[in-house]
Amino acid sequence: NAGVTQTPKFRILKIGQSMTLQCTQDMNHNYMYWYRQDPGMGLKLIYYSVGAGITDKGEVPNGYNVSRSTTEDFPLRLELAAPSQTSVYFCASSYKGAVYEQYFGPGTRLTVT
Amino acid sequence: KQEVTQIPAALSVPEGENLVLNCSFTDSAIYNLQWFRQDPGKGLTSLLLIQSSQREQTSGRLNASLDKSSGRSTLYIAASQPGDSATYLCAVSTDSSYKLIFGSGTRLLVRP
Repeated sequence: NAGVTQTPKFRILKIGQSMTLQCTQDMNHNYMYWYRQDPGMGLKLIYYSVGAGITDKGEVPNGYNVSRSTTEDFPLRLELAAPSQTSVYFCASSYKGAVYEQYFGPGTRLTVT
Repeated sequence: KQEVTQIPAALSVPEGENLVLNCSFTDSAIYNLQWFRQDPGKGLTSLLLIQSSQREQTSGRLNASLDKSSGRSTLYIAASQPGDSATYLCAVSTDSSYKLIFGSGTRLLVRP
């Protein structure tokens, strides 16, 4: 199993550009999550999904959109990039249930200038 | 609103020392608590998960305890090694979506 994979690893965007961060998991997990981590801080939840076709907002959803058309994929779309979106983005997945840990991808480091 | 705090923000110890990292949360109604390790520029690696009904979990030199009523968890690292140097994050889930609320982490340096 590859686990949770994310592409790209790094990206530089100009203000106002758009892009999609890709996330794929091969563990047949129901639940998937997008977090962002600003320097020296913990992670904050952007969006999450409890199954294909179901998504919901987290703590910091403004400026982002998601879709979940398959169990495996959970892309994060940035529209009209702003400097405040400079961060490291992590995708995670888990099975349903309190006994199951979340598995994280390696992250995408995004800079908006 | 659930808030998670980790103190200290940074810790430096000599190799071989036993140490304790602290995590506190404001709302005791949690589903589980996870401890993660993060190396510089890398993703998160899950270390231990404690369900709300459990008091502790152990893995090798690591032991995590949970006191839900007081809103506290500790991560005990025995016989620390330079390879343990990393940032340690704790996170709690508070509903059936199991989305995590993170602390800001403790940056640990183990000196040879």
